[in-house]
Amino acid sequence: AQTVTQSQPEMSVQEAETVTLSCTYDTSESDYYLFWYKQPPSRQMILVIRQEAYKQQNATENRFSVNFQKAAKSFSLKISDSQLGDAAMYFCAYRGGGETSGSRLTFGEGTQLTVNP
Amino acid sequence: SQTIHQWPATLVQPVGSPLSLECTVEGTSNPNLYWYRQAAGRGLQLLFYSVGIGQISSEVPQNLSASRPQDRQFILSSKKLLLSDSGFYLCAWSVGASYNEQFFGPGTRLTVL
Repeated sequence: AQTVTQSQPEMSVQEAETVTLSCTYDTSESDYYLFWYKQPPSRQMILVIRQEAYKQQNATENRFSVNFQKAAKSFSLKISDSQLGDAAMYFCAYRGGGETSGSRLTFGEGTQLTVNP
Repeated sequence: SQTIHQWPATLVQPVGSPLSLECTVEGTSNPNLYWYRQAAGRGLQLLFYSVGIGQISSEVPQNLSASRPQDRQFILSSKKLLLSDSGFYLCAWSVGASYNEQFFGPGTRLTVL
């Protein structure tokens, strides 16, 4: 079974600084997809960024980028120029690409990010 | 555009009472539908998912059940609630390939007393 581990329950960053959130996963599949979701206090789940395992290039979305290390099964999220609105719980998620995996997401336990003004 | 609705937004129920949470999706056809539960300060646990009408897969055996009576309607039920059923319940949908994101509803906060 796939597992997703986020080893940092809480992180904090100063406004305008950069922070990196860690995520590791365990899988025997070669085809899969990885996601970072953000959950602000409203508790609405919002997709931040996604990465296809077959792509070597790291995904980037504006101030958000990932460091995908497939051999190490690591998928960290870097937030540059942090803003107060980035404060939220961040979840790393895994989704298998094969038919037997369906389209289910496996989530990590989350990292609570605080942005200090 | 696609939207997803969940109701009620909050619910307080006594132990042993029944439960029915509803989720509907608009603006898309034949979506995959999912029910997740989130305990306080924790990650999301997949409870059920459905790839079509009447097709339900259960991930975690428990006293909850799910049904999909219509293409864009997903219902989470229980005949008798337990204290441990308290949590935040999220419905989500997706279409197409595995790389497509899941879109989440606003959630239902359930408190069982």
